[in-house]
Amino acid sequence: GENVEQHPSTLSVQEGDSAVIKCTYSDSASNYFPWYKQELGKRPQLIIDIRSNVGEKKDQRIAVTLNKTAKHFSLHITETQPEDSAVYFCAASISNNFNKFYFGSGTKLNVKP
Amino acid sequence: NAGVTQTPKFRVLKTGQSMTLLCAQDMNHEYMYWYRQDPGMGLRLIHYSVGEGTTAKGEVPDGYNVSRLKKQNFLLGLESAAPSQTSVYFCASSQIRDRPLDTQYFGPGTRLTVL
Repeated sequence: GENVEQHPSTLSVQEGDSAVIKCTYSDSASNYFPWYKQELGKRPQLIIDIRSNVGEKKDQRIAVTLNKTAKHFSLHITETQPEDSAVYFCAASISNNFNKFYFGSGTKLNVKP
Repeated sequence: NAGVTQTPKFRVLKTGQSMTLLCAQDMNHEYMYWYRQDPGMGLRLIHYSVGEGTTAKGEVPDGYNVSRLKKQNFLLGLESAAPSQTSVYFCASSQIRDRPLDTQYFGPGTRLTVL
């Protein structure tokens, strides 16, 4: 099955700096890549997603890039704020495989004020 | 529109006891999933269902059973709980029939401790 690796496991940045989290996947048939944010004690919430027919997607301070050839995708957060502190998960799925998600192990982002 | 709900929120069991976790969704989603979340290991799929009356195994199905008798409900059962099943359990749902692939929406989670 699909294997998703996520790095780094922890990331500490100063408020206002950028943060980048990277994921790689193994199955070239994967075609949907969501990113979730999970605050302490809360449920994972979708923050952005990208499909394989797109190379980049932006939503205000958040962007995701996808390199299908290298099988990796990244989350970019600019102008980080303390409320961005959370655990972020990437995932990969194949649309004709019952939308099963394979998650990375998570990145704990700490934004220092 | 409550989205995805789970009951109970917390539970403590003794080894060997049984329990059932209930997941409900009101979004008319076809697919439902049960995950467990352990520190440093992300979310791992236990079982999933692609429609009423159907279930299938995920990555870590051992020790769990599921049922989906109604489209809106997905039950996760532990027949004989073990300390290794101490975890946070999340339910998720996705996919409206005949619409493009959609993301998964998560419930609030159930924190289970097995002593």
